[in-house]
Amino acid sequence: AQSVTQLGSHVSVSEGALVLLRCNYSSSVPPYLFWYVQYPNQGLQLLLKYTSAATLVKGINGFEAEFKKSETSFHLTKPSAHMSDAAEYFCAVTYFYNQGGKLIFGQGTELSVKP
Amino acid sequence: DARVTQTPRDKVTEMGQEVTMRCQPILGHNTVFWYRQTMMQGLELLAYFRNRAPLDDSGMPKDRFSAEMPDATLATLKIQPSEPRDSAVYFCASGPEMGSYNSPLHFGNGTRLTVT
Repeated sequence: AQSVTQLGSHVSVSEGALVLLRCNYSSSVPPYLFWYVQYPNQGLQLLLKYTSAATLVKGINGFEAEFKKSETSFHLTKPSAHMSDAAEYFCAVTYFYNQGGKLIFGQGTELSVKP
Repeated sequence: DARVTQTPRDKVTEMGQEVTMRCQPILGHNTVFWYRQTMMQGLELLAYFRNRAPLDDSGMPKDRFSAEMPDATLATLKIQPSEPRDSAVYFCASGPEMGSYNSPLHFGNGTRLTVT
């Protein structure tokens, strides 16, 4: 069955440090992959998406992710963390190409940013 | 700025009571999704609709949950009777187009349900 695994339920970085959030997918067919961010008491917002075009995808707020088929990964990175990046991040996959919105989410990674 | 609106924001109820959660999707969106978020299970898809017709509700406990779209501007999720294990945050999301990976979902701020 298709699934998404996020390594590390909690990641803590210092302000200005590199952010790396890991996501691996399991899919027997090429996936479409997404990263969403959730701020406290809010819904999810789309950060970026991979849709089989460029393997390096740039999103909002300085985030980017690289699709690596050989590693079945779609890790999220940001060169320099900001305090406002503290939130929960979800990797998601859709594998029903004719039902593009049916997302399977990972368990989430909570990002803390220390001053 | 168009957004998905969910009501109520918070709901506390006693076990056995009926709970109704409402969602107003973004105008023009023809797909609507209900997700449930808990610490243990994360985000689970309960049901989704296209053009008001239910496409998949396999994630929903059928004996107590029901989801409907009476019209294009309203989606409802009902639990009857509610149980403490239903305590969670319920999110509604809508999308502009089915079948397109270029159409991301827009989420509401959720309904936090507590069943005592």
